[in-house]
Amino acid sequence: AQSVAQPEDQVNVAEGNPLTVKCTYSVSGNPYLFWYVQYPNRGLQFLLKYITGDNLVKGSYGFEAEFNKSQTSFHLKKPSALVSDSALYFCAVRGYYRDDKIIFGKGTRLHILP
Amino acid sequence: EAGVAQSPRYKIIEKRQSVAFWCNPISGHATLYWYQQILGQGPKLLIQFQNNGVVDDSQLPKDRFSAERLKGVDSTLKIQPAKLEDSAVYLCASTSPGRGRTNEKLFFGSGTQLSVL
Repeated sequence: AQSVAQPEDQVNVAEGNPLTVKCTYSVSGNPYLFWYVQYPNRGLQFLLKYITGDNLVKGSYGFEAEFNKSQTSFHLKKPSALVSDSALYFCAVRGYYRDDKIIFGKGTRLHILP
Repeated sequence: EAGVAQSPRYKIIEKRQSVAFWCNPISGHATLYWYQQILGQGPKLLIQFQNNGVVDDSQLPKDRFSAERLKGVDSTLKIQPAKLEDSAVYLCASTSPGRGRTNEKLFFGSGTQLSVL
């Protein structure tokens, strides 16, 4: 069965510091991995995805994520956090097989301190 | 490019009443999804349409929830009768995967926040 875990409910980072939001997954076969961001009173917005290829994926707003197959992780990162990055972040995974659904994690609230 | 439109934005009803949500996906997007997002949880897929056909409704509580996409464009999600535990944000998303899944990217609407009292 597919699953995705975001172990942290909230992450606090000072503005200008690097940030990491953690995500681990479990699927059959090769995974398709995604990060989405949700700002207050708005729908989820796509940030980036990993399908195949380079393990370091670059996305919107300066975010990147590193795929680690041995650790089954897909952590979201940014070298220098902005106050405007404060939002709710969701990791999502889809399995390789045709009938696999996109499964979302419970979300991590990122709070950037000015 | 216009985004995914949803209405109403908010809805408050009493338990056992019925409610309907509407979604207009991005023009040309063949695949449409309805998700339920309960406070503190990630979105849970309720139903997936490909054009006007249902691809997956395995997590839709069919005794009270129904959805349709008659002309392969707009979609309506209905709850009848509503229960307290149905209080959530209902999100509509659409996508146009193209060839295979490599271009898959969901576009979400702002959602409908439902409160059942």
